[in-house]
Amino acid sequence: SQQGEEDPQALSIQEGENATMNCSYKTSINNLQWYRQNSGRGLVHLILIRSNEREKHSGRLRVTLDTSKKSSSLLITASRAADTASYFCATDANYGNKLVFGAGTILRVKS
Amino acid sequence: DAGVIQSPRHEVTEMGQEVTLRCKPISGHDYLFWYRQTMMRGLELLIYFNNNVPIDDSGMPEDRFSAKMPNASFSTLKIQPSEPRDSAVYFCASSGPGGHEQYFGPGTRLTVT
Repeated sequence: SQQGEEDPQALSIQEGENATMNCSYKTSINNLQWYRQNSGRGLVHLILIRSNEREKHSGRLRVTLDTSKKSSSLLITASRAADTASYFCATDANYGNKLVFGAGTILRVKS
Repeated sequence: DAGVIQSPRHEVTEMGQEVTLRCKPISGHDYLFWYRQTMMRGLELLIYFNNNVPIDDSGMPEDRFSAKMPNASFSTLKIQPSEPRDSAVYFCASSGPGGHEQYFGPGTRLTVT
C-alpha cells in the first residue's frame, strides 16, 4: 500500500500563481522527499527534508514537514508553464534506502 | 555523467514472450532500484540491490519476474512469460553511498499484446 498520499490529485493554476501540494503518510520516517515527473520522463529529485526539520527552501520551492500530523506540503511560488508536471512525495519507511511513493499531484500551469 | 541509462525505451511484445529490460546505473552508485508505473497502481518498487546484492524483492509480483545485477554497472529485469497485465513503464533508479536521493532513468514503456 502507498505510504504517502498527495492532495489534491490535480491542480490547475495560472502562470505566476503559487501552487501548494500536500502529502500525508502513515508511519514514522527518517526523511521525506519530493520528486517531479514530466510527461513521458523519469522522476527528478527536487528536495529532501529530514524528520527533525520543519521547513526547507530551494529556489522557488518551499517544503514543510509536520511529523505530529504526518504531513508535508510543497509550495511552488511564481509558477511557470515549465512547472507543469506530476509531483510525488516519497518516504523512507524508516529503514534503508527504500522509498514508498504517493499517487502524485498533477499540476498544470496555464500561460 | 550520462545519468541512469535504460534500454530499450519502448518494447512491444506478444503475450508469452520473454522480455528483458536493461539498466546501467550512475557510476559510483551502490543502490539500484527497479520500479513499475501504471495508472491504476502508481509507482511500485519491485526490487532493489545494494552492492549488487538483492536486498528486498517483496514487490516482485510473481515468479515470472526476475532481476539480476551481475556487476556494479549493469542490471536486468526479466519477465518470462509476459502477460498483457505487465504492460507498464518500468523505471530503473540508482543512489549513491549515504545518499537518499534517487536518480531515475527515462524508463522503458512495455506493451504486451
